[in-house]
Amino acid sequence: RKEVEQDPGPFNVPEGATVAFNCTYSNSASQSFFWYRQDCRKEPKLLMSVYSSGNEDGRFTAQLNRASQYISLLIRDSKLSDSATYLCVVTYNFNKFYFGSGTKLNVKP
Amino acid sequence: GAVVSQHPSRVICKSGTSVKIECRSLDFQATTMFWYRQFPKQSLMLMATSNEGSKATYEQGVEKDKFLINHASLTLSTLTVTSAHPEDSSFYICSARIGQGKLPQHFGDGTRLSIL
Repeated sequence: RKEVEQDPGPFNVPEGATVAFNCTYSNSASQSFFWYRQDCRKEPKLLMSVYSSGNEDGRFTAQLNRASQYISLLIRDSKLSDSATYLCVVTYNFNKFYFGSGTKLNVKP
Repeated sequence: GAVVSQHPSRVICKSGTSVKIECRSLDFQATTMFWYRQFPKQSLMLMATSNEGSKATYEQGVEKDKFLINHASLTLSTLTVTSAHPEDSSFYICSARIGQGKLPQHFGDGTRLSIL
């Protein structure tokens, strides 16, 4: 079983739409969670950390559900520039980071 | 700005060549760096953890004699793909954490390796 699983998508949405991605993780001892964004043929870049209380950064909201072992990312008012692959990342010892395979988002005009 | 620098960004070479990739931490010391590989449409897979002043820790299935890692200073780790073959063609990315604790990793720009 994979450590981290994501729906690969693609999610094709119009500009201005709200879109949500989920990610599940298998290790209940996981301690830290992140969402990274990866543009085509580029390195991943940290989008935001995910906290149990949920956190928001502008149009982006991340949630963690430890009981069900999943994290989510909500993007409101999608922009064309949001088109990318979003990677869910989980770590339980801060040295090994486990990446999901990514969810591809296409925002269309 | 970038906190981790990786070089070169693109390599095309013949089968049998050895290729060295450098990963540098900028303005901070990284006792630990990480090397990942990403095949098209797949996730990043951790290959090895590079430890300054000691041997690297390799993940299961990664040949240590094939992928030589040297972490000779607190700001530089190198990955050498020895006698590269077409199946080694991939996107190689290094990362480092600034400090310890609950901190995310910062990635280099990646190296796209193509073996002909």
